[in-house]
Order: sequence, then structure tokens, then C-alpha cells
Amino acid sequence: GAGVSQSPSNKVTEKGKDVELRCDPISGHTALYWYRQRLGQGLEFLIYFQGNSAPDKSGLPSDRFSAERTGESVSTLTIQRTQQEDSAVYLCASSGPGQGLTGELFFGEGSRLTVL
Amino acid sequence: AQSVTQLDSQVPVFEEAPVELRCNYSSSVSVYLFWYVQYPNQGLQLLLKYLSGSTLVKGINGFEAEFNKSQTSFHLRKPSVHISDTAEYFCAVISGGSYIPTFGRGTSLIVHP
Repeated sequence: GAGVSQSPSNKVTEKGKDVELRCDPISGHTALYWYRQRLGQGLEFLIYFQGNSAPDKSGLPSDRFSAERTGESVSTLTIQRTQQEDSAVYLCASSGPGQGLTGELFFGEGSRLTVL
Repeated sequence: AQSVTQLDSQVPVFEEAPVELRCNYSSSVSVYLFWYVQYPNQGLQLLLKYLSGSTLVKGINGFEAEFNKSQTSFHLRKPSVHISDTAEYFCAVISGGSYIPTFGRGTSLIVHP
């Protein structure tokens, strides 16, 4: 499809396991964002990619969280040794050249992570 | 630092009534302001944005918002809502040359028949 695609849509895991969340941005979009949305909370910024570099990863909550991006394509968010407080919806968004500063982000439907 | 406050977590309203969803921001520099909407089981999508110029901004589906610099507000309004407007609405701000939008907690608009 033409939109931002995220997988899996739902993931249930046990505490202490590692998880990988995948984001396929819109083709040609250079910027890619990861946000986290906990129940009843706003969107919490995690990391921003421009191409395959991450000029801003200030939002990653701990060293258990990491992300990478291949070129201007797929991004993977990895959470190691998951904790119950990691339970949230993880949202990915992308934007095209010049669009990022004007704020038009295109969001995927999110990956809902539940840590038991 | 930039921040956004959405004062109402939930706004119930009857169909065809007017609605206002409130948003206040905190930033010491010039800002870009946005409203996004998230319909059930869908991703967020841009509703409208203020970059510069006229302080009254019109968006999709009959929504509009007014930028008020003195009150640091960007409230969203619609004169007559429909059942299909039931969704979560997020206010967001970008300031100081940042590429990172800061989002509010969201307001759930619930339209009753």
C-alpha cells in the first residue's frame, strides 16, 4: 500500500524477552519517527531518523531501547529485556523532504505491545 | 523546551452541536501548530496546521482552529459535529527549528445521536 506500514500490529510477550517492531515508511520519505503511546498518555517521542542516521535519539527511555534504519527504508525498533512498563502502542511516522519542519507526519496504525 | 496541554481528556457532545477542543502550548520562540485526528483503528492523520499568516486556519471535514499568540492557544472548533467525528484529537507543536513535533495527551471527542 501507499501508507506507513507497521508490524506486528499486536505483540504479547513475557517480561525479559526481546522484541522487534518494524516500520515501512512511505516510499521516498527521508524522515522517520518513532513515538510511544501509553494508555491515557500523549505521544512520547523516542527517536528521529533523517535517512539512515539518527540526529535525535534523546527520547529513548533506556539503553534497552535501540533503533536502526536501512537507507531511507525500513526501520526496526528493538526492546531488549522487556519490562511491564514497556507496554504501549509504538507508532511510526514518516515525512518527505521539506515536510518535516512543517509537521506533516504520516503515521502507521501502530504496534501494540503487551508485556506480561 | 516546547510542551502542549490539552485541557480536556474527553468531550461528549450531541450530534449537530458545536464543539471546541482546547489546546495550549508553551514555547518561547515562534511555533508551528497542528491538529491530528485518529479515527478508531486507524493511524493519526493531519487535520490542519498553522505555519504563518492568517491566524484562522481551516482544515478537513469542516474543522477550523485559531492561533492566539497572546493566550498561547490553538483551539479546534466545529460549528456542527457528526457521529463520524467521533475520534481522538491531538494537538502538536514544533518550535525553535526543531524537526520533532511535541504532542498533547489527546482529547477524545464522543458524538452522541
